[in-house]
Amino acid sequence: NAGVTQTPKFQVLKTGQSMTLQCAQDMNHNSMYWYRQDPGMGLRLIYYSASEGTTDKGEVPNGYNVSRLNKREFSLRLESAAPSQTSVYFCASRDKQGRHGYTFGSGTRLTVV
Amino acid sequence: KQEVTQIPAALSVPEGENLVLNCSFTDSAIYNLQWFRQDPGKGLTSLLLIQSSQREQTSGRLNASLDKSSGRSTLYIAASQPGDSATYLCAAYPPLSGNTGKLIFGQGTTLQVKP
Repeated sequence: NAGVTQTPKFQVLKTGQSMTLQCAQDMNHNSMYWYRQDPGMGLRLIYYSASEGTTDKGEVPNGYNVSRLNKREFSLRLESAAPSQTSVYFCASRDKQGRHGYTFGSGTRLTVV
Repeated sequence: KQEVTQIPAALSVPEGENLVLNCSFTDSAIYNLQWFRQDPGKGLTSLLLIQSSQREQTSGRLNASLDKSSGRSTLYIAASQPGDSATYLCAAYPPLSGNTGKLIFGQGTTLQVKP
């Protein structure tokens, strides 16, 4: 099925560990986004990539890095995980003109202990 | 700075009732507005997208309207069913200046439809 695929779906990390969240889309979309969702805070933008080869900070970028590997893939890396990064992470993509809206992945539920 | 607000935060209705969910935004210079549904522990499913040149969109029992001048969008659900129970999120994105198109989300309305 066409869409946005995120891996893994669940992950538990110890404080200080690192990991990379993977995201891939097969809709030939130009723009890709990483959001986190926390109770009472809603969805907040971490990083985005307007097009292949570019990345920019969103609202809450501290503690994260991203890589736009190619047009399909956009990864999010936590270099040294902290309990404050316990959250649900969503990847999304959008076509260049935004005519068809955003498509979201099913999310990664991350717990940092 | 664009802010999106959804009222009420929670809503409980009996099955079969027609209902309206509200979304307001502070900056009328939005490009598009999109409504999503989120079931507990799940991802976001797109329901309706209203483009800047449109005033409403319909899909089955759902109808979404957009009034940019008043900064409001509504999602109308007809003949509600228990399966409609979920959190509904609206999200606006500004004109594609710089081609960023970053979504700004409301906090959501959690709907419970009782059998």
